[in-house]
Amino acid sequence: KQEVTQIPAALSVPEGENLVLNCSFTDSAIYNLQWFRQDPGKGLTSLLLIQSSQREQTSGRLNASLDKSSGRSTLYIAASQPGDSATYLCAVGSNSGYALNFGKGTSLLVTP
Amino acid sequence: NAGVTQTPKFRILKIGQSMTLQCTQDMNHNYMYWYRQDPGMGLKLIYYSVGAGITDKGEVPNGYNVSRSTTEDFPLRLELAAPSQTSVYFCASSPQWDGYTFGSGTRLTVV
Repeated sequence: KQEVTQIPAALSVPEGENLVLNCSFTDSAIYNLQWFRQDPGKGLTSLLLIQSSQREQTSGRLNASLDKSSGRSTLYIAASQPGDSATYLCAVGSNSGYALNFGKGTSLLVTP
Repeated sequence: NAGVTQTPKFRILKIGQSMTLQCTQDMNHNYMYWYRQDPGMGLKLIYYSVGAGITDKGEVPNGYNVSRSTTEDFPLRLELAAPSQTSVYFCASSPQWDGYTFGSGTRLTVV
């Protein structure tokens, strides 16, 4: 069974810092990996999708990398802003099923 | 474009009652999913569907039922509600195995 772990569970940084969120998974036979953002009391918003054949994806200040062999992904946020405060979820799609396996998330607080 | 719409947003049920959580998508996606999210935990898959008339169990299906009579609708039925079903329920859809769109969730409390 695919296990997805996110470290750290919570992170607080001052505005303007660059930061890295980590995601690890136990089964390297993945179909894709997605990063989502979840605001309190809200649904999930897709940030970046990396297919298994790709090494990274970028969108604005966000960059996600994927290393299947080591079972790791990182989400890099440049020049953080208070509006980036949210919970960030990593989810892995496997080759054997349709569903995503989610980590528990990293709760990010960016202080002004 | 509404995306994925879930109703209701909040609900309190008494133990033993039943209810249906509604989910509708307007993107003509074949795949639809129901997840639950407990505090401090990742989302867990309850049921999924790959098209009208086709459904299958996910990781935590006990106490739930689904149906998929149309491409647009994927309701989740709770029979004999229990306190363990207190959670936030998310419906999602996707055209293939990626490109997920999530609804805003239903917060359910069973007392």
